[in-house]
Amino acid sequence: GAGVSQSPSNKVTEKGKDVELRCDPISGHTALYWYRQRLGQGLEFLIYFQGNSAPDKSGLPSDRFSAERTGGSVSTLTIQRTQQEDSAVYLCASSRQGLNTEAFFGQGTRLTVV
Amino acid sequence: QQQVKQSPQSLIVQKGGISIINCAYENTAFDYFPWYQQFPGKGPALLIAIRPDVSEKKEGRFTISFNKSAKQFSLHIMDSQPGDSATYFCAARDGGSQGNLIFGKGTKLSVKP
Repeated sequence: GAGVSQSPSNKVTEKGKDVELRCDPISGHTALYWYRQRLGQGLEFLIYFQGNSAPDKSGLPSDRFSAERTGGSVSTLTIQRTQQEDSAVYLCASSRQGLNTEAFFGQGTRLTVV
Repeated sequence: QQQVKQSPQSLIVQKGGISIINCAYENTAFDYFPWYQQFPGKGPALLIAIRPDVSEKKEGRFTISFNKSAKQFSLHIMDSQPGDSATYFCAARDGGSQGNLIFGKGTKLSVKP
């Protein structure tokens, strides 16, 4: 596709359920980022993948959060036993490696935990 | 620890005025400083970016000023327009961690007609 694609665009889930959020980065982009944005707030870094290197997981808020990137392309962010505080927009971005490091963002997945 | 500090949190400017948003950082490993613009319901989009080897970059009405010694950089929007109303995020790339992008908390800009 032409841009970063995230699915679903909206997700409503019950407290305690697990959710999976998907990100399809731009083809050829080796870097992939996940951010969380609570209503009216800034971008909270979650995790960063770069090529075959070990991901930077330093932003994951708890062990309920995990992410993987298969084949250096598609990424899935999983939240287990969701809590109401997890309600937010989850944004994915990708970029090329190198000097031109513009990160392109998807539209995000709006997660609501009820 | 907040690695990129952004201010103000919100800003109201009259049409035609100058909007100024400031950011400061501590990590000397940061090597790339982009600004992103976000409209409601959309993902952030790159507006303008600068590297630390230059002190200023201008693209149309948007200018980044960079002060390496003070570890500060700012976005200036000249002749601000109502269509500029959005949330602006500064960011910094951590060259020491393979390129992770760290964002400021954002500034909500409202340009009044």
